[in-house]
Amino acid sequence: KNEVEQSPQNLTAQEGEFITINCSYSVGISALHWLQQHPGGGIVSLFMLSSGKKKHGRLIATINIQEKHSSLHITASHPRDTAVYICAVLGGNQFYFGTGTSLTVIP
Amino acid sequence: DAGITQSPRHKVTETGTPVTLRCHQTENHRYMYWYRQDPGHGLRLIHYSYGVKDTDKGEVSDGYSVSRSKTEDFLLTLESATSSQTSVYFCATSEPFPRTDTQYFGPGTRLTVL
Repeated sequence: KNEVEQSPQNLTAQEGEFITINCSYSVGISALHWLQQHPGGGIVSLFMLSSGKKKHGRLIATINIQEKHSSLHITASHPRDTAVYICAVLGGNQFYFGTGTSLTVIP
Repeated sequence: DAGITQSPRHKVTETGTPVTLRCHQTENHRYMYWYRQDPGHGLRLIHYSYGVKDTDKGEVSDGYSVSRSKTEDFLLTLESATSSQTSVYFCATSEPFPRTDTQYFGPGTRLTVL
């Protein structure tokens, strides 16, 4: 059983749509990260959260510690948002990763 | 971008040969990690280091060893490569929580074991 579960696994959206990706985890954590993996393979960090909500441009991340759940929202999606989005949780000294959500945004 | 480089970026080798992958950072981060990424599994931790000469195993450490003789370098060695070790390998660095703001990833090494 994975410590981190993401849904959906795959998502296709029309440009401009509002997108939500969900992450649930089963371990105690000190922080949760959302990562973006580009089609070329590079991985970048989008957010680190330990409580509440963060916003960067069109991206919004929320976390509910009691429910062990986080969501990543993309407003006004764009084809350049096409990527795999990975949820990772920091438990102790280790990060545990979800298998990712593959997002394709069609013009 | 954090200065994390990996070498080589691509390698093809034969079963039974030793392979060493290198991760180099210029950020002076205390923690360094080696992951492998395979379809359907996401990123899985192989080994990590929490300081010079301090390392620990991750969930998929069998067949791998690591060494960290200085802050900036973290080496991953496959003593005798097997086809099951064909994968993309990522190195990452971070500071320990609560100084952690994120993990910084290297560009990855694609390893093929024939």
